[in-house]
Amino acid sequence: EAGVTQFPSHSVIEKGQTVTLRCDPISGHDNLYWYRRVMGKEIKFLLHFVKESKQDESGMPNNRFLAERTGGTYSTLKVQPAELEDSGVYFCASSQTVGNNSPLHFGNGTRLTVT
Amino acid sequence: GENVEQHPSTLSVQEGDSAVIKCTYSDSASNYFPWYKQELGKGPQLIIDIRSNVGEKKDQRIAVTLNKTAKHFSLHITETQPEDSAVYFCAARGRGGGFKTIFGAGTRLFVKA
Repeated sequence: EAGVTQFPSHSVIEKGQTVTLRCDPISGHDNLYWYRRVMGKEIKFLLHFVKESKQDESGMPNNRFLAERTGGTYSTLKVQPAELEDSGVYFCASSQTVGNNSPLHFGNGTRLTVT
Repeated sequence: GENVEQHPSTLSVQEGDSAVIKCTYSDSASNYFPWYKQELGKGPQLIIDIRSNVGEKKDQRIAVTLNKTAKHFSLHITETQPEDSAVYFCAARGRGGGFKTIFGAGTRLFVKA
């Protein structure tokens, strides 16, 4: 079984530019999550999809961030325009259900550097 | 909302010694507590979890304990090996938080050979 895959693994962009991150969850996992870790801090929740619907987007920092999951398969997270404080590692995770018997499976992350 | 505090931020032990990482959580409705290990260049991987109806769980060299009254939970690694060196994250989840998994800030564990 293929795990959660994220692309790209690294991205370096200038302030004001646009970046799109992609996540392919484990096949059959309806739940897809985006998280971000800024250096030395906690892995912070951004949002949660159930299939193609946004279940919870309470962690999205502001309207420069747009997440989509058209068709309920892969997801993209776009940052436009990027700011310096957006730098960090963006993780995607998926799970079969939302219950406590369904742990999160993480991808390897995308390290975003905004200069 | 839920808040998870994790200590220490860095831990260095000699190979063969034990390592203990401690976490506290704020939301009494949380009932699932996973621990993740993140190796360099990889994403966090679940290593063990505990549910609120259990006080302790063990899997080979790792064990977790949960004190629901005090809202504390801990990870214990015995007979540490160099390959245990990684960043460890505790987390909490429950209905009160909308089933979001909330993470601590991580502990960087160094095991010296």
